[in-house]
Amino acid sequence: DQQVKQNSPSLSVQEGRISILNCDYTNSMFDYFLWYKKYPAEGPTFLISISSIKDKNEDGRFTVFLNKSAKHLSLHIVPSQPGDSAVYFCAARANNAGNMLTFGGGTRLMVKP
Amino acid sequence: DTAVSQTPKYLVTQMGNDKSIKCEQNLGHDTMYWYKQDSKKFLKIMFSYNNKELIINETVPNRFSPKSPDKAHLNLHINSLELGDSAVYFCASSQLGGTGSEQYFGPGTRLTVT
Repeated sequence: DQQVKQNSPSLSVQEGRISILNCDYTNSMFDYFLWYKKYPAEGPTFLISISSIKDKNEDGRFTVFLNKSAKHLSLHIVPSQPGDSAVYFCAARANNAGNMLTFGGGTRLMVKP
Repeated sequence: DTAVSQTPKYLVTQMGNDKSIKCEQNLGHDTMYWYKQDSKKFLKIMFSYNNKELIINETVPNRFSPKSPDKAHLNLHINSLELGDSAVYFCASSQLGGTGSEQYFGPGTRLTVT
């Protein structure tokens, strides 16, 4: 029973264009959402997060949007760069589960030069 | 200067053996975690531990046990290894306070059980 889902296993984008990665969740107790980036043979690296009281958070080229009514969040990367090629994981924290995170299955982003 | 380190990076062992994976963080964080990434690449929380509380994911077999000699270390002990334990294991840490959810991960330990 996946509470956090990333339905696109992969995404290919041209350098300079926008990358949009999507994530859906089912648990209404989730109150904090995060995106992690992972390169092969390395651990996930924290990228950006958003609290459930907000609908947008921006950090440089990265913006996360949260639509609570739809239980959907997305990560926008503008402009995309070849170094952004990695697997991106969406994660969520429930307000009744300490700091334990539930991860989605990941989306592999490939940015073509 | 590595923030979260794990040893070994690779571990190959036979069914039935007992093994440990070590994790150390030098970030001064007070909470540490273990995750398992299975063959389908899903990252699943196994344990969350600080000096006050151990939270165990109910799906984790009791053959797995975390041991914390101090705040900077959380080792993972696995008894009677099974084929299905083959996976990549990640250690992570975070600091409670604020959201406390920005977790910093180690590089992972690839465990292969034959």
